[in-house]
Amino acid sequence: GEDVEQSLFLSVREGDSSVINCTYTDSSSTYLYWYKQEPGAGLQLLTYIFSNMDMKQDQRLTVLLNKKDKHLSLRIADTQTGDSAIYFCAVSGSARQLTFGSGTQLTVLP
Amino acid sequence: DAGVIQSPRHEVTEMGQEVTLRCKPISGHDYLFWYRQTMMRGLELLIYFNNNVPIDDSGMPEDRFSAKMPNASFSTLKIQPSEPRDSAVYFCASSLYQGPLHFGNGTRLTVT
Repeated sequence: GEDVEQSLFLSVREGDSSVINCTYTDSSSTYLYWYKQEPGAGLQLLTYIFSNMDMKQDQRLTVLLNKKDKHLSLRIADTQTGDSAIYFCAVSGSARQLTFGSGTQLTVLP
Repeated sequence: DAGVIQSPRHEVTEMGQEVTLRCKPISGHDYLFWYRQTMMRGLELLIYFNNNVPIDDSGMPEDRFSAKMPNASFSTLKIQPSEPRDSAVYFCASSLYQGPLHFGNGTRLTVT
C-alpha cells in the first residue's frame, strides 16, 4: 500500500521561512494535501495540489511537487508563532481514501 | 456551513461498556470517513461510506467495532464492548467526490 514519510520535528525562528517535506511511494497519487492540526483540534485543510501541477501558491503558503522523486513540500513564508502546530501530508491514490504521514511538529521560536 | 459536527467531544467509559460516537457530515457531501488517531499508530482509516453505503471497512480493527450511516446526514461508530486499547481520538470527515476531506473536531475516547 501507499507509504507517506515526514520528518517528525522542525524548529524555526519567527519571521523565517519554514519548509516541511514529505515523500510518498504511489506514483498514481492524484491529489496531495497539507493539513494543520493544533492541540485538541481536528485537521484543518491548508491547501492541496493536483498531480499534474508542479507548484501552487496561496498567500504565505507554497506547495512544490516533484513527481519524479515523489517529493512534496510546504513552504510557509514569514512564519509566525500561530503557525506552531502539527502538519500532515496526505495523498490519495486510485482509491478514495487518504493515506497520511506521521505529521511534522513545527515549533516557532520567538 | 457549520462543518463536520461530532459528538460527544469527550467520552470516558469503563471497560466492557458500549460506546457510540456520532457524526453529522457537511450537507451535500457524498463521502464520509471515520479515522482513529493515536500516538503509536498515527491516523488510521477505519471505514468509509459513499452515498450512505459502506465501501471499505478493512481498517475496522475487530468485530467489536461497527459503523452505520442510516441517512446522508448522520453516521455512528459503535464499540461494544470497549477496551482500554480503544482509547484514542476518533475523527469523522466528509467530502465531495474527488474533493478534499473536511474533518470534525474529533471525539476523545478514554476507556478505563
